[in-house]
Amino acid sequence: KAGVTQTPRYLIKTRGQQVTLSCSPISGHRSVSWYQQTPGQGLQFLFEYFSETQRNKGNFPGRFSGRQFSNSRSEMNVSTLELGDSALYLCASSSGQNYGYTFGSGTRLTVV
Amino acid sequence: SQQGEEDPQALSIQEGENATMNCSYKTSINNLQWYRQNSGRGLVHLILIRSNEREKHSGRLRVTLDTSKKSSSLLITASRAADTASYFCATDAVAAGNKLTFGGGTRVLVKP
Repeated sequence: KAGVTQTPRYLIKTRGQQVTLSCSPISGHRSVSWYQQTPGQGLQFLFEYFSETQRNKGNFPGRFSGRQFSNSRSEMNVSTLELGDSALYLCASSSGQNYGYTFGSGTRLTVV
Repeated sequence: SQQGEEDPQALSIQEGENATMNCSYKTSINNLQWYRQNSGRGLVHLILIRSNEREKHSGRLRVTLDTSKKSSSLLITASRAADTASYFCATDAVAAGNKLTFGGGTRVLVKP
């Protein structure tokens, strides 16, 4: 079966712009989580969606938002980009608690 | 703060040797998971161990869990150059809202 698909793979944006990242989970997986990975902070949890509802939210400013659609696809949006938002953004889907996450290859965002 | 902390931060071994890395966590967990990440790519799920389990095996991987010490270990036997990667433990804990929280990872280099 197809894995988790994240688009785009690479993105370069200018400070102040906004960006939308997309994630298509494994078919049948209703839980989608987003993580930000940087060399300094490691893997930081952004949010988790389940059946179109945000179930958990990490400690990020309101510039970071997300949503999930009825087909379980998810998007995250970052507004008013800052240099510090440069990171690898990873999406993962899961079929439920006590099951492992399947990660996408990530979107590498560079803010200049 | 991170729920899981890996030790050591980096490990260099020769092909054929065993590699052991440890993970300590702070609060009671539902399960603990280990993931591998090759340079700049998405994470790959290796093993999930539930809080009522003590040991699990998968191929050359062996994971132990000691809930009394709030620690886990991952052993890779007969390592190969292809095992070169970063390894992360992640915990699913009620206190963390059941989101998956990652440690800082152990970078493993297997020299041919």
